[in-house]
Amino acid sequence: RKEVEQDPGPFNVPEGATVAFNCTYSNSASQSFFWYRQDCRKEPKLLMSVYSSGNEDGRFTAQLNRASQYISLLIRDSKLSDSATYLCVVSGGYNKLIFGAGTRLAVHP
Amino acid sequence: DTGVSQNPRHKITKRGQNVTFRCDPISEHNRLYWYRQTLGQGPEFLTYFQNEAQLEKSRLLSDRFSAERPKGSFSTLEIQRTEQGDSAMYLCASSLSGTGNGYTFGSGTRLTVV
Repeated sequence: RKEVEQDPGPFNVPEGATVAFNCTYSNSASQSFFWYRQDCRKEPKLLMSVYSSGNEDGRFTAQLNRASQYISLLIRDSKLSDSATYLCVVSGGYNKLIFGAGTRLAVHP
Repeated sequence: DTGVSQNPRHKITKRGQNVTFRCDPISEHNRLYWYRQTLGQGPEFLTYFQNEAQLEKSRLLSDRFSAERPKGSFSTLEIQRTEQGDSAMYLCASSLSGTGNGYTFGSGTRLTVV
């Protein structure tokens, strides 16, 4: 079983739609959680951290359920520029981050 | 530019040749990480340094791979006797102690072994 599992997609949505991605992780000791965004042939970039209480950054909302070992990302009012791969990331102990394979999002006009 | 810098951006090499990549982290970051990413996969952890000490190596890092960070600043990743399966994007990232704030990645070195 992979340490971080995501639906690979692609999710094809029209502009203005709301889309949600989910992720599960296997290490109950993980302490830090993130969503990264990766554009085609570019490096991953930190989108947002994920906190137990849930957190929002503009159109993006992230939630963490430690009991279920489940992380989600909600994108409201999708823009064409949101098209990318979204990587779910958890800490593997204190020393490294473990990345999921990513979920592809394609926003169309 | 105060980001993470990687050189070269692209490398094409013949099977069996040795290659070396360089990473210059953000100057105040004491942790440096190497990851490898293949098409359709997320980045996979290879190794990490805290200052000049290499503290963890993945089982993915065969004995053909070696990484150094001699003065706790830049790092090099060398692959000896390259194989076609080594073709991937090699990503370097840095952070200021621990994982709490995430990493900053460099643009990566794309290796193609022919």
